[in-house]
Amino acid sequence: GAGVSQSPSNKVTEKGKDVELRCDPISGHTALYWYRQSLGQGLEFLIYFQGNSAPDKSGLPSDRFSAERTGGSVSTLTIQRTQQEDSAVYLCASSSQAGQPQHFGDGTRLSIL
Amino acid sequence: ELKVEQNPLFLSMQEGKNYTIYCNYSTTSDRLYWYRQDPGKSLESLFVLLSNGAVKQEGRLMASLDTKARLSTLHITAAVHDLSATYFCAVGSGGSNYKLTFGKGTLLTVNP
Repeated sequence: GAGVSQSPSNKVTEKGKDVELRCDPISGHTALYWYRQSLGQGLEFLIYFQGNSAPDKSGLPSDRFSAERTGGSVSTLTIQRTQQEDSAVYLCASSSQAGQPQHFGDGTRLSIL
Repeated sequence: ELKVEQNPLFLSMQEGKNYTIYCNYSTTSDRLYWYRQDPGKSLESLFVLLSNGAVKQEGRLMASLDTKARLSTLHITAAVHDLSATYFCAVGSGGSNYKLTFGKGTLLTVNP
């Protein structure tokens, strides 16, 4: 079946612009996660959604980062006023429920000029 | 704060040889994952280890978990070139262990 789908696959933007990254989880998966992968920091947890519960936003690095999940399915990660240190690969994952293996999308490679 | 350390970070080995990757973590957890990542690709789930003494095997890879020592190992038997990739361990925390903290990864290169 279809895996986790992320778009765009690559995004290049100028410093100070806002960007939106999209994640379409595996159908039926109630848990959705965002991670960031960069050379300096490795893989970092950003945010977790589970059903209609309040998300765990503890990994968001600053208030420029926000995410929402509409209708318990598609999620959007928004970065406002991008900075060069935001350059990274942003990975989305989903699982059938919390604690089950997380299935990752191919990621969005974000480059800030 | 949960810390996860993998070693070695770089591993170059010959085909046919055996080796072990180690994953240590700093606080109690009963859920540990191993993932594989090929260059430019996303992460592929290899194993989920749920309890002390758990051992799982798939092909030439075998993973084990010792929760008392806070240690997991990924053992590679008779390596082949196709196993070349980066391997990550990740430890769950939070309710239901949903929050993964990853090690820095081990870049494995298997040479003919």
